[in-house]
Amino acid sequence: SQTIHQWPATLVQPVGSPLSLECTVEGTSNPNLYWYRQAAGRGLQLLFYSVGIGQISSEVPQNLSASRPQDRQFILSSKKLLLSDSGFYLCAWRGQHNSPLHFGNGTRLTVT
Amino acid sequence: AQSVAQPEDQVNVAEGNPLTVKCTYSVSGNPYLFWYVQYPNRGLQFLLKYITGDNLVKGSYGFEAEFNKSQTSFHLKKPSALVSDSALYFCAVENNAGNMLTFGGGTRLMVKP
Repeated sequence: SQTIHQWPATLVQPVGSPLSLECTVEGTSNPNLYWYRQAAGRGLQLLFYSVGIGQISSEVPQNLSASRPQDRQFILSSKKLLLSDSGFYLCAWRGQHNSPLHFGNGTRLTVT
Repeated sequence: AQSVAQPEDQVNVAEGNPLTVKCTYSVSGNPYLFWYVQYPNRGLQFLLKYITGDNLVKGSYGFEAEFNKSQTSFHLKKPSALVSDSALYFCAVENNAGNMLTFGGGTRLMVKP
């Protein structure tokens, strides 16, 4: 069966420090991969998605970037964190376009 | 552009009573519709989906949803609510030509004993 791993679960970082969040998927190949941010426990904001290795689409221009160095690995990064980057970050994958998204357990990032 | 509206920020219901969480959508072409549930500090979990066929879709944990094309709605229902159903619920839509889900803003369900 397929599983998705996301780490770390929580992270506290100072303003101006770098960020790297990692997400890996097991049990499937060539998944579509997604990074979402959820603020204040409500709506989801799509940040990036990828349909293949090295293919990244950005939905919202901001302080973050994403990379997909391997088929089942998706990384969210920042060179210098801002206070406004605080939030709950969720990685997700799906197969064909009418299949459900499967989410990781999220990373709660607090920028101080 | 596609969109989803969940008109209620919060729904309160007593345990044992039926519950409904509302969702309306706008999309070009045929819609694919999904419901997800989120417990505190966790990722979203898939509950059910409508792709085609029977308008009444049954999903996990006793939930069901009814697709109504004329009203462009996909309301989530359960005949008898449990306290453990208390969570944040998201409706999502995409059309049959895309690979991008659009989520509603979420509805918090509170089931009181």
